[in-house]
Amino acid sequence: DTGVSQNPRHKITKRGQNVTFRCDPISEHNRLYWYRQTLGQGPEFLTYFQNEAQLEKSRLLSDRFSAERPKGSFSTLEIQRTEQGDSAMYLCASSLRGVLEWSYTFGSGTRLTVV
Amino acid sequence: GQQVMQIPQYQHVQEGEDFTTYCNSSTTLSNIQWYKQRPGGHPVFLIQLVKSGEVKKQKRLTFQFGEAKKNSSLHITATQTTDVGTYFCAGSSSSASKIIFGSGTRLSIRP
Repeated sequence: DTGVSQNPRHKITKRGQNVTFRCDPISEHNRLYWYRQTLGQGPEFLTYFQNEAQLEKSRLLSDRFSAERPKGSFSTLEIQRTEQGDSAMYLCASSLRGVLEWSYTFGSGTRLTVV
Repeated sequence: GQQVMQIPQYQHVQEGEDFTTYCNSSTTLSNIQWYKQRPGGHPVFLIQLVKSGEVKKQKRLTFQFGEAKKNSSLHITATQTTDVGTYFCAGSSSSASKIIFGSGTRLSIRP
């Protein structure tokens, strides 16, 4: 287990279609985060889990977005009825509390293009 | 809500020159982290600062956390072409919370 794995790396979809992304975190990490990044911007927080519990969801996240982490291991992020504004890089990160604080390891991301 | 601002947005330097990026938070932070993202890549963790006034060094990189724990800086001495990328700060208002990213400073270097 060398890092956080995200699949697929790229996804092109037509507007109105549903898409699902998967994230496999580092196995011993109990926290998992989803961020979205558009060109020239910093990653924007979407939601995070501690084990299987979803602890926080951004108010910016519409009802079309849903995330799960059913067994506290991998996570999925689903976007329903995609819109062109959903085009972005979707980043997953996992973390484990170190000596003092949490440090995050990011996956390579899934780049979504909605046409 | 918590906001993290970063300046400058871009910095273009001659190889060998120094580089500094500044980060300011609208709220007091529990900790601040710095990440580097290469073009086409994902953010890679560099360091975390927790204590007021803390200074940490990694080779040519010096990181500072302000006394009030609301600002931070990253200074690179004698830049090299391998330093190219976007540097993000990311802060958390509590140790149990998620981190909020700044908008990043994009560093480019003239060889």
